[in-house]
Amino acid sequence: NAGVTQTPKFQVLKTGQSMTLQCAQDMNHEYMSWYRQDPGMGLRLIHYSVGAGITDQGEVPNGYNVSRSTTEDFPLRLLSAAPSQTSVYFCASSRRGTSTDTQYFGPGTRLTVL
Amino acid sequence: AQSVAQPEDQVNVAEGNPLTVKCTYSVSGNPYLFWYVQYPNRGLQFLLKYITGDNLVKGSYGFEAEFNKSQTSFHLKKPSALVSDSALYFCAVRDAGNFNKFYFGSGTKLNVKP
Repeated sequence: NAGVTQTPKFQVLKTGQSMTLQCAQDMNHEYMSWYRQDPGMGLRLIHYSVGAGITDQGEVPNGYNVSRSTTEDFPLRLLSAAPSQTSVYFCASSRRGTSTDTQYFGPGTRLTVL
Repeated sequence: AQSVAQPEDQVNVAEGNPLTVKCTYSVSGNPYLFWYVQYPNRGLQFLLKYITGDNLVKGSYGFEAEFNKSQTSFHLKKPSALVSDSALYFCAVRDAGNFNKFYFGSGTKLNVKP
């Protein structure tokens, strides 16, 4: 199993540009989520999904869109990038949310918005 | 509301000495607590979790954590630190009302010196 994969690893955008961060998992996990990691702030939940066709907002959803058309993929879209979105983005997955399930994380995408 | 706090940005310890990384939590309902480790330029890796049962939880790489309900703490410990333990450590709590949501602490950088 490849686990959770993310592409690209690095990306530089100009303010106002759009892009999609890709996330895929091959563990047949129902639950997937996106976090951003900023220094001194830990990880903050952006959006999550409990299955294909179902998404919901986390703590910091503004400026980001998601969709879940398949169990395997959960892309994150930045419609109009802003410098405040410079961060490291992590995708995670787990089985359907029971108390004991553990999340598995991808390697991250480092995004810089100029 | 659920939250965790990691009061120390950085912990320094000599190789061979015991280490403790602190975490306190605030939850409504039963706490579901997790520790993750992040090595440079990598995603988060699961170390251990407390769901119920024994207050001392054993995890990967010789780490353990002590759950203390009266002090609302879940400190990560290791009897003898290794230089290779140097990394960023995150405490996390699962939302008891929505198992699909996790809340992370701000992270503690552990430095183990030879």
